[in-house]
Amino acid sequence: KQEVTQIPAALSVPEGENLVLNCSFTDSAIYNLQWFRQDPGKGLTSLLLIQSSQREQTSGRLNASLDKSSGRSTLYIAASQPGDSATYLCAVHSGNTPLVFGKGTRLSVIA
Amino acid sequence: DARVTQTPRHKVTEMGQEVTMRCQPILGHNTVFWYRQTMMQGLELLAYFRNRAPLDDSGMPKDRFSAEMPDATLATLKIQPSEPRDSAVYFCASGLVGQGEHQPQHFGDGTRLSIL
Repeated sequence: KQEVTQIPAALSVPEGENLVLNCSFTDSAIYNLQWFRQDPGKGLTSLLLIQSSQREQTSGRLNASLDKSSGRSTLYIAASQPGDSATYLCAVHSGNTPLVFGKGTRLSVIA
Repeated sequence: DARVTQTPRHKVTEMGQEVTMRCQPILGHNTVFWYRQTMMQGLELLAYFRNRAPLDDSGMPKDRFSAEMPDATLATLKIQPSEPRDSAVYFCASGLVGQGEHQPQHFGDGTRLSIL
């Protein structure tokens, strides 16, 4: 059974700092991995999707990497801003279920 | 921008009552998912449909939960009878799957359900 773990559970950084969020998964036989953002009281917004054949994806200040063999993904946020404050969730699509989610990292960027 | 629409946004009701949540997926998406989010468990998949056919509902308590897609523009999740432990945020998401590729899922804003 696929399990997804995100570390840390919460993170607080000053504005302008570069930061890394971590995601690990137990079964490396995946189709893809997605990073989502969730604002309070809202649904999830897809940030990046990495197919199993890819190593990384970039969108603006966000860069996500995937190392299938070690069961790890990182989300790198450059030059963080207060508007980046949200919960970031990692989700893995493998054989048995469409997406298995981690519990998220709650990010606060302090101005 | 195309969006997944969920109704109602909030629902408060007493234990034992029937609850129906509705979802309008994005036009053209062929896969619809129902998730439940709680502080303790995080996001859990309850059920999903592809081309309106149920593919997996193993995440749902079958004795009280039911999910249907009466047509391509409407998915419903019903709880009868409801219990306090069903209190959670229920999300619907839709996506397009084809040719061995899975496009990103798009989520609605959720239904916040409180069972008293």
